[in-house]
Amino acid sequence: EVQLVESGGGLVQPGGSLRLSCAASGFTFSSYWMHWVRQAPGKGLVWVSRINSNGGSTSYADSVKGRFTISRDNAKNTLYLQMNSLGAEDTAVYYCARDRNFALDYWGQGILVTVSS
Amino acid sequence: QSALTQPASVSGSPGQSITISCTGTSSDVGGYNYVSWYQQHPGKAPKLMIYEVSNRPSGVPDRFSGSKSGNAASLTISGLQAEDEADYYCSSYTSSSTVVFGGGTKLTVL
Repeated sequence: EVQLVESGGGLVQPGGSLRLSCAASGFTFSSYWMHWVRQAPGKGLVWVSRINSNGGSTSYADSVKGRFTISRDNAKNTLYLQMNSLGAEDTAVYYCARDRNFALDYWGQGILVTVSS
Repeated sequence: QSALTQPASVSGSPGQSITISCTGTSSDVGGYNYVSWYQQHPGKAPKLMIYEVSNRPSGVPDRFSGSKSGNAASLTISGLQAEDEADYYCSSYTSSSTVVFGGGTKLTVL
């Protein structure tokens, strides 16, 4: 069974940093591209970033470019999102998801990040 | 990276059919056959319902179908059921090698 479990969320002050993790199981993690998607409270889904299977290619939404870094450790079956210079606009539930030709076929349960003083 | 355009809400009665539109540009929806649709119930993670415009993942009922014409894609749900009430989002690959979502459509089953 495919499972994606996010961790590392919580409350952080404006300007602070946080690293999210997504532990994958039930499939060959190293064979799949992966994505991060976020959803602000009461709002719609917003794509954040994606990484290819070996970590050599990444892309980002304009809203996070230069502040967020996606990475992966295929030996640990884990996806990461390093988030720096956080602002109130980054408050959201963050989901990791597996890629299937740019469709996201499996999603984690989501982890809440709250940016507030 | 402008969001794809979806109607804010649609509604239908049980047994009826509804269609949700998703309008983009030639740089996303119109340029690639990588349009997907997701269903999200309150408090839950999204679920993939349609990929590559019109393909259904295993386990998704054939009441759900997708299509595309030019820069617009559509999700049709036939034989509407109470459990179909949810938010629906389209997404597309883009020419910038990114993914863009629509703003979401709230489906109400009357």
